[in-house]
Parts: sequence; structure tokens; C-alpha cells
Amino acid sequence: KAGVTQTPRYLIKTRGQQVTLSCSPISGHRSVSWYQQTPGQGLQFLFEYFSETQRNKGNFPGRFSGRQFSNSRSEMNVSTLELGDSALYLCASSLDPEGAYYGYTFGSGTRLTVV
Amino acid sequence: DQQVKQNSPSLSVQEGRISILNCDYTNSMFDYFLWYKKYPAEGPTFLISISSIKDKNEDGRFTVFLNKSAKHLSLHIVPSQPGDSAVYFCAASDGGSQGNLIFGKGTKLSVKP
Repeated sequence: KAGVTQTPRYLIKTRGQQVTLSCSPISGHRSVSWYQQTPGQGLQFLFEYFSETQRNKGNFPGRFSGRQFSNSRSEMNVSTLELGDSALYLCASSLDPEGAYYGYTFGSGTRLTVV
Repeated sequence: DQQVKQNSPSLSVQEGRISILNCDYTNSMFDYFLWYKKYPAEGPTFLISISSIKDKNEDGRFTVFLNKSAKHLSLHIVPSQPGDSAVYFCAASDGGSQGNLIFGKGTKLSVKP
């Protein structure tokens, strides 16, 4: 079956712009989480959605937002981009909100570069 | 305040030998621990997990040990192979309170032929 699909794979944006990243989870998975990976910081949790509801949010400014659609696809948006937002953004899906027990499946990520 | 710590940013091991990757945590509410492996330009891949009610879980060449009293877990890879060279992330979950995985910063493993 198809894995977690993230689009686009690479993106270059200018400071001050906004960006929308997309994630299609594995079919049947209703939980989608987003993570930011930067050098030296590991994976930092952004937010998690289950059945179109945000269940948890990490410690990121309000410029970072997301949503989930009825088909479980998810988008995340970053407004007023800053240079420090340059990172690999990873989406992960799981069968249920307690994804730990089934192991989240990650997509390959979207590499965002802010110039 | 890091709840999951991987204090070794890198580790180099000879092919055929044992690789031991360590992870410490601070939150006693964590009840499930996972290890992920990540190659460049790819998302992390789930490797192995362990519930807090166990102290060992084995899957082929990979074994995870959990010492709850020390709040420490380790991943053993025996024997190590060059294809194991990747960044390994330790992650923890408290089963719903935070609803997500807390990751360490990763350890880059290099297995030399």
C-alpha cells in the first residue's frame, strides 16, 4: 500500500512569505502529526490531528498552523516566514491517536528553505 | 527542557561488532519507547519499540533494553553492518497525555567496513 506522501519535496521561499505543505497519510490512518527537523535539534513536534481535530500542539509560534480534512489529508501553513523556519518538515500517520503503539509511519518530508 | 536525551551525537563502530546507542529520559510518565532510523533525505523509519512493563525486546539484530529505575534505554545492534549507518532517534510517549512522540536529537552511527 502507498506510504505517507508529502508534497512538495523541496520548496524555496522568501522571508515574509507564507507556505502550505501537504500530507496524505496511509489509507485508513486517521492520525496525522507534523514534526520539524533542524540540524542539532532533532525532531520537534508541531501538532497532531485526529479526525479533523487538533489534539495536541507543540511549542511553536502561532505562525505555524495546520488542519486536517475529512479524508485525513493534512496541511500545515507557516505565515510570515523567517530564516529560522528553514527545515525538513515531516508528516507522520498512524492508525489511532496513540500512534506510539503502532509506530508512526513518516513521509520523506518537505525541505523548506527560506532565503 | 529536554525530556528525551541522546548524549552522543555520533558513534563509529567496526563492521561485525556491536553498536550500542543510548538514550535517557526524565518523564516517569512515559510508558512506551521507540527507536527510529533515518537516512538522509528520507523520513524516519520505525525500528523497534518497548513498553515500560518490559525490560527487553528483541527483533533480529536489534535489541532494546529498558532500565526504568535509571530512566535509561539502549539499542543494541549485533552484528553491525555498513547499511546500518544512519541517524538513530530515540522517542518516548506517555500514551495520550501529550498525544505525540518526544524525540531525542539523534545519534549518527557510522559502521566501517
